[in-house]
Amino acid sequence: DIVMTQSPDSLAVSLGERATINCKSSPSVLYSANSGKYLAWYQQKPGQPPKLLIYRTSIRESGIPDRFSGSGSGTDFTLTISNLQAEDVAVYYCQQYNSSPLMYIFGQGTKLEIK
Amino acid sequence: EVQLVQSGAEVKKPGESLKISCETSGYTFTRFWIAWVRQVPGKGLEWMGIIYPADSDTRYGPSFQGQVTISADKSLSTAFLQWRSLRASDTAIYFCARVPLFFTENQLNTQFDSWGPGTLVTVSS
Repeated sequence: DIVMTQSPDSLAVSLGERATINCKSSPSVLYSANSGKYLAWYQQKPGQPPKLLIYRTSIRESGIPDRFSGSGSGTDFTLTISNLQAEDVAVYYCQQYNSSPLMYIFGQGTKLEIK
Repeated sequence: EVQLVQSGAEVKKPGESLKISCETSGYTFTRFWIAWVRQVPGKGLEWMGIIYPADSDTRYGPSFQGQVTISADKSLSTAFLQWRSLRASDTAIYFCARVPLFFTENQLNTQFDSWGPGTLVTVSS
């Protein structure tokens, strides 16, 4: 099975500083070669559904502040949150799309707190 | 405005059946896929499956194949998630989400761009 591994599991960052969350995919023989670029990032605050932040590795969803940026390729991806704000406290998930077979895989989540 | 409205919280006993819903509005129902995602309280997100309402093409995650049934009613613009026999381990919040899965500017859109608020299902004797 394809496994998405996020690191770290949790992190604490000071207001105004930068937070970096990593996501690594471990593909199996079922992995589609072109699936790597279909990587998305979601933010989930307590009691709320997830919210799309980034898709296709680096494209910000409409309305998402430019403090959020995504990068990466192949099997290694990164979500960077610059100038951390109090409202950024949440759990962040990466998500990989695989085309054949059609399936989605989420990372285990990274909890972001204020230091 | 795109909206996904999910049915209310459920409390069931092991062995009972259940069907929860995700009613959509604000867009063409048959143009987008609908995915279902499970979240055990305090845990992460798990993709359960996805359906294309236009033709009911449905795919399931390996852990959910044979355990649940995903369906859709085009006349109601509503997707459903169904269990024949619930287990305590099915206790979770279930989210539906809209998924484009079509090409724009030669690029495939695979992201979950709108989510329902979730339905809490509690299974306890």
